[in-house]
This record gives sequence, C-alpha cells and structure tokens, in this order.
Amino acid sequence: DIQMTQSPSTLSASVGDRVTITCRASQSISTWLAWYQQKPGKAPKLLIYKASTSESGVPSRFSGSGSGTEFTLTISSLQPDDFATYYCQQYNSYLAFGQGTKVEIK
Amino acid sequence: EVQLLESGGGLVQPGGSLRLSCAASGFTFSSNAMSWVRQAPGKGLEWVSTLGGSGLSKYYADSVQGRFTISRDNSKNTLYLQMSSLRAEDTAIYYCAKIYCSSTGCHWYFDVWGRGTLVTVSS
Repeated sequence: DIQMTQSPSTLSASVGDRVTITCRASQSISTWLAWYQQKPGKAPKLLIYKASTSESGVPSRFSGSGSGTEFTLTISSLQPDDFATYYCQQYNSYLAFGQGTKVEIK
Repeated sequence: EVQLLESGGGLVQPGGSLRLSCAASGFTFSSNAMSWVRQAPGKGLEWVSTLGGSGLSKYYADSVQGRFTISRDNSKNTLYLQMSSLRAEDTAIYYCAKIYCSSTGCHWYFDVWGRGTLVTVSS
C-alpha cells in the first residue's frame, strides 16, 4: 500500500503569508495526486488534481506542484477564508489520504 | 446542480448493522464510479469503498473488507453502504463522494462530496 505523509501537521500563519504544505508518497505516484480543503463541520472540497491542475472556481492563489514522490500545495497570499485543514490524496494505486495539515491563525 | 445527500446514520450497538444511503442528482449517476469515505471524530479522511458505475467492480479498504458491502441502484440514483459487525472504531462521519469520470475513463479523486452522515457505534 502507498502511504502519504504530510508536513507540517499544523502551520501557524498570518493573513498575507505565503504558505507551503508538503506531501510525500512512499513510492512514485507520477502526478496522480489531489489536494482538498476542509473546514470544520463541512465536507472536503477539491482544490487541485493531477498534482497541479486547479479545479474550476478555485482561487488562483492556490497552486500545486511536484511529481514522483514529493508534492507541494502553495497558497501565495493567505486569506481569512483559507484557515482550514488540507489533505493530499494519491490515486495512482487505489487511493490514500495524507493525515492532514491544519492551517491556523498565528 | 450536482448534489449528494447521505442518510441512514445513527447510534448502533457493537456487532450491529446499519445501511447508509446516498441520493444523487444533477449528473448521470450510472456513468460515475462512487465511493464512501469516512472521518472519525477529530481525525483525518479514510477511504472505505468504491463501486463502478455498472455496480460490478467493487473495492474495499482492508479495515472493512468482509463486513461492509457497497451497492447501487442506478434506477433510483442511489448508492448504499451496508455495514455489519460494527465496531467502536467504525464511529465516524460517512461521506458519499463522486469519483471524477469522463469519456476517457475515471480517475479516483473526488470532485463532489455529500454533507455526510454520522454513525456512532456504542453500547
């Protein structure tokens, strides 16, 4: 089974900061990676698929990159609405989620 | 508007059974693979099961294999999850999620999610 590891687990940041979340796969998954945002009490929301393709309607401040085993989600300028938990998910072999990264207010 | 609406959650005793339903609307249900994903209280997301559009191809996480059964009724645009031999560790919000499918095939990421239904396994 492919394991997904996110870092950090928690990130404290301020509005306007550039934020980067890392996701590592235990083996190569090419670019078969998605990113989701989840707010408390809500369902996850798809942000990025195929490592770097933005879902329709997602603000341009969100971007994804990487291939193989290392991936990043970047928020170029953190907005108040972005404080949430972010999950990566591989879909190269069945599927598996990372453990999540909580972005909190500094 | 594309929508998924789960129902059927509740309190059940260990060893008991429960059936979840997910009513879909706004897209061609029979053309899409569908999944259940769960989230234990305060924890991360865990994939549970996936079912192909025709209902023939079924996939399960090791943690539920042999205890849970996924099915669908394409005439009713509804996905089901029959859960049996429930354990305390099955306590979670269960989300129904649509897998992205196009004319060229399906990729196992989720472009639409329901709001979830809470299952609590406790005596």
